[in-house]
Amino acid sequence: EVQLVESGGGLVQPGGSLRLSCEASGFTFTRYAMTWVRQAPGRGLEWVSAMSGSEGSAYYADSVKGRFTISRDNSKNIVYLQMSSLRAEDTAIYYCAKVSDTTFGATSNYFDFWGQGSLVTVSS
Amino acid sequence: SYVLTQPPSVSVAPGKTARITCGGDNIGSKIVHWYQQRPGQAPVLVIYFDTERPSGIPERLSGSSSGNTATLTISGVEAGDEADYYCQLWANSRDLPLFGGGTKLTVL
Repeated sequence: EVQLVESGGGLVQPGGSLRLSCEASGFTFTRYAMTWVRQAPGRGLEWVSAMSGSEGSAYYADSVKGRFTISRDNSKNIVYLQMSSLRAEDTAIYYCAKVSDTTFGATSNYFDFWGQGSLVTVSS
Repeated sequence: SYVLTQPPSVSVAPGKTARITCGGDNIGSKIVHWYQQRPGQAPVLVIYFDTERPSGIPERLSGSSSGNTATLTISGVEAGDEADYYCQLWANSRDLPLFGGGTKLTVL
């Protein structure tokens, strides 16, 4: 059974930093890209970042480029999202999701399993 | 940039058929996926590759796509189908994944 468990969310002041973790189990972690999708309160889904399974290529939405960094530890089956220079508009539930393929960027990619999410609140 | 348009809400009586649309330029030539998000829960993939159902998704849910509209159809709607539904695609291989704005399905 595929399981994705996020952690690391919380309250942070504007301009601060936070690191989210997503621990995966139930599948061969290195064979799949992983992604982060967020949802602001009362809003829709917004794709944030992704990392390919093997060569580790990283991808970012324009809204977070230069502020967020995705990484993965294939020995621990964990994907991270390091968030810095946080803004009020980054307040959201952040979901980790498994991508259907090793390589991210194929037009056939979809997100077949999701974690329960981690709430990040940016406020003074 | 490519835009996906979903109606904000759709209402249907129990047992009837709900059709949730996702509009986009020549969307019929692209690959569309659909996600269901029940209140307070994480999204769940319900349709991929326009028409395919993941294991565990009932046959009552089906997808289609043609021209400028992709459609998620839910037959024999049940109370448990009440949720937000999102379409998702890649506009092209050089772009990044895009979600529609979501449609709230209300079961009357």
